[in-house]
Amino acid sequence: SQKIEQNSEALNIQEGKTATLTCNYTNYSPAYLQWYRQDPGRGPVFLLLIRENEKEKRKERLKVTFDTTLKQSLFHITASQPADSATYLCALGSSASKIIFGSGTRLSIRP
Amino acid sequence: NAGVTQTPKFQVLKTGQSMTLQCAQDMNHNSMYWYRQDPGMGLRLIYYSASEGTTDKGEVPNGYNVSRLNKREFSLRLESAAPSQTSVYFCASSVLWTTSTDTQYFGPGTRLTVL
Repeated sequence: SQKIEQNSEALNIQEGKTATLTCNYTNYSPAYLQWYRQDPGRGPVFLLLIRENEKEKRKERLKVTFDTTLKQSLFHITASQPADSATYLCALGSSASKIIFGSGTRLSIRP
Repeated sequence: NAGVTQTPKFQVLKTGQSMTLQCAQDMNHNSMYWYRQDPGMGLRLIYYSASEGTTDKGEVPNGYNVSRLNKREFSLRLESAAPSQTSVYFCASSVLWTTSTDTQYFGPGTRLTVL
């Protein structure tokens, strides 16, 4: 069955450093991959999308890579700030099937 | 624009009671979804409506029913609540799920406890 794996352990990063989150998947050929941010007590908010034919996407301090050979996406936050602390979800989709979500990785940025 | 709204925000039920979760979106989206989120399980799709007038089962539909009332509103009903349905429920919408991106817009969630 289709499976998405995100590091279930929280990631603790010093402010100013680059945070890197990993999303691995199996038994799936996605057309695109998305990253969402979720704050406690709130719904997920869309951040970035990368398509299968794209290697890298950037938005301000965010960078996403997508390696369809390794079946992996990396999500980077450069110059991290305490306000970046949240849970980050990856999601995979294609035109042939509904989007599926990973369980998320909690990121904590300490001052 | 309010985006996606959900009511109620919190609810406590006793086993066997029924209730309906309401969801509305004002973005003129065609597709709407109901998810549940449990610790360590991620978001799991309960039901979705690809467009007005259609509904389909997702990954975990047992114990739930849905109604796509019109283009804006999509409700989720628990006919006989069970403790296993204790969860946080999210409604979401997207332009159209068969598009190449299907970005989802989520509501604030309903925290349901079944005793």
